[in-house]
Amino acid sequence: ETGVTQSPTHLIKTRGQQVTLRCSSQSGHNTVSWYQQALGQGPQFIFQYYREEENGRGNFPPRFSGLQFPNYSSELNVNALELDDSALYLCASSWDSNSYEQYFGPGTRLTVT
Amino acid sequence: AQSVSQHNHHVILSEAASLELGCNYSYGGTVNLFWYVQYPGQHLQLLLKYFSGDPLVKGIKGFEAEFIKSKFSFNLRKPSVQWSDTAEYFCAVSTTSGTYKYIFGTGTRLKVLA
Repeated sequence: ETGVTQSPTHLIKTRGQQVTLRCSSQSGHNTVSWYQQALGQGPQFIFQYYREEENGRGNFPPRFSGLQFPNYSSELNVNALELDDSALYLCASSWDSNSYEQYFGPGTRLTVT
Repeated sequence: AQSVSQHNHHVILSEAASLELGCNYSYGGTVNLFWYVQYPGQHLQLLLKYFSGDPLVKGIKGFEAEFIKSKFSFNLRKPSVQWSDTAEYFCAVSTTSGTYKYIFGTGTRLKVLA
């Protein structure tokens, strides 16, 4: 059984640029959630995708957007990067949107300069 | 707005000491409650969860948590900690009223001294 994988591991971007982060869910999972974890903080829920549709969203502006593909992998896109977007971005997958038992990937460390 | 509070940010214990980490949430509706653990260099992983039923839930590695609805609390306990329990612990709440949300606390760093 393959766990949740994320790419890239680390990324450095300049303010104003756009970034795409990728996540492959665990085998058999159809739901993916994305989180932002700033240093010293708990993960903050960005949004969840269930069967390719956005199923819930936290308090993040529209420049944070996502996609889920037919194979249930997912992308997180962030436009117009700001310095405060520097954080660890975590992806988590689950069997369905109601199971709530999530399996986390290792994260992508994004640095915005 | 919904929130999760973990009052202990850093905890240092000696091996064999008892552990209790506090977690309180603010939300008036139905919630599901979780504790996650992150060992050094590892991914976040689920320690235990409460959906319904017996408010005392048991998780992996001898951890347990008690849901007290009247206090909006879900404290994590372990009778006797080990050096290998050194990690960061996160309490989390999920809700389904309105749109789906999953809210984490800020975490508690536990260091167990051998």
